[in-house]
Amino acid sequence: QQQVKQSPQSLIVQKGGISIINCAYENTAFDYFPWYQQFPGKGPALLIAIRPDVSEKKEGRFTISFNKSAKQFSLHIMDSQPGDSATYFCAASSLMNTGFQKLVFGTGTRLLVSP
Amino acid sequence: KAGVTQTPRYLIKTRGQQVTLSCSPISGHRSVSWYQQTPGQGLQFLFEYFSETQRNKGNFPGRFSGRQFSNSRSEMNVSTLELGDSALYLCASSPGGGSAQHFGDGTRLSIL
Repeated sequence: QQQVKQSPQSLIVQKGGISIINCAYENTAFDYFPWYQQFPGKGPALLIAIRPDVSEKKEGRFTISFNKSAKQFSLHIMDSQPGDSATYFCAASSLMNTGFQKLVFGTGTRLLVSP
Repeated sequence: KAGVTQTPRYLIKTRGQQVTLSCSPISGHRSVSWYQQTPGQGLQFLFEYFSETQRNKGNFPGRFSGRQFSNSRSEMNVSTLELGDSALYLCASSPGGGSAQHFGDGTRLSIL
């Protein structure tokens, strides 16, 4: 019940196209859903996050769509650029009684944006 | 504002040895958590410290331990190293209270 399932495992998109990565979860106690971007040799960097009280959040070219009833959320990258080529991780967490958000990560999607 | 700093960036050890990794959180952040990243298991939570106390622990053997100092800096120790401990060890910090976690670039540990 703690798993977060992420798909696809890898994705190739042409420059200017839309990249879409999907995640699904089971634990209805999850109340925080961040997306991280990781470049080779670097740690994951927080990209955008959403809480279940909204169905969509947009920051620049990045949008999270959230479907609470289906227990699914997705990342859309509009106008994808070669510089977006990286591995993307979705995550989910619930606020523990200690005040900590223990992150459960998806397995990652390797995105390649071709020039 | 400086980000999360992890040292060293790379380590090579042999089986049976022990290792200590260091993490300096973002200034003002009191929560420090550690994660292990491997190709097979992905990103897995090790433990979290807040105000020098371990508040949360993942499903790792007792060979993995940590501590946090009064300035919020944290260290992670792995004793009796095994080949399967080869991984990227990531540290993340947050102010606490459910705030977002920000990761360092990790320490790449290789066990020969």
